[in-house]
Amino acid sequence: DAGVTQSPTHLIKTRGQQVTLRCSPKSGHDTVSWYQQALGQGPQFIFQYYEEEERQRGNFPDRFSGHQFPNYSSELNVNALLLGDSALYLCASSLQRGEQFFGPGTRLTVL
Amino acid sequence: AQRVTQPEKLLSVFKGAPVELKCNYSYSGSPELFWYVQYSRQRLQLLLRHISRESIKGFTADLNKGETSFHLKKPFAQEEDSAMYYCALRPYNTDKLIFGTGTRLQVFP
Repeated sequence: DAGVTQSPTHLIKTRGQQVTLRCSPKSGHDTVSWYQQALGQGPQFIFQYYEEEERQRGNFPDRFSGHQFPNYSSELNVNALLLGDSALYLCASSLQRGEQFFGPGTRLTVL
Repeated sequence: AQRVTQPEKLLSVFKGAPVELKCNYSYSGSPELFWYVQYSRQRLQLLLRHISRESIKGFTADLNKGETSFHLKKPFAQEEDSAMYYCALRPYNTDKLIFGTGTRLQVFP
């Protein structure tokens, strides 16, 4: 089991564009959480998906949206990118209320 | 407000010295607290959680509700302990983790 995988590894976009990040959970896990980690900061919770629905959401604008597929994989979409969206985006998978296992992250740079 | 504070950005010690990484939290209920670690070029991983009350790689952490702290301790630091350490809080009946800003531990030979 490769654990949690994320793609792409790195991404460069310009302001106003839209981006989609992808996450495949650890085998057997059904819950996916997304975090944003700005430089020098700890990860910040964006939202969590379980049974293909958004179950919890952090303090992020509606420009951040997501999806979970029947195979439990997930996408994070960010619209109308801002310079401040530049960060490492982490995906974590778990069973409900279980230990969260993190992926390697996607580094997004917005120019 | 729910918040985790790690006051030290960097902690440098020599091998064999004791280590204490500080973590304070702000939460009105009964939290679950965790320490996560990220070694160089590796992904973030769970080190320990307060409910298990176990020692992992020689590290322990005790929840002090009176002082709202969850400091991470190790009596004798090793070079391989050099890493970024994050304290995290999980509010009751949620799955989200609230992280501190992290402390980089450097252990010199």
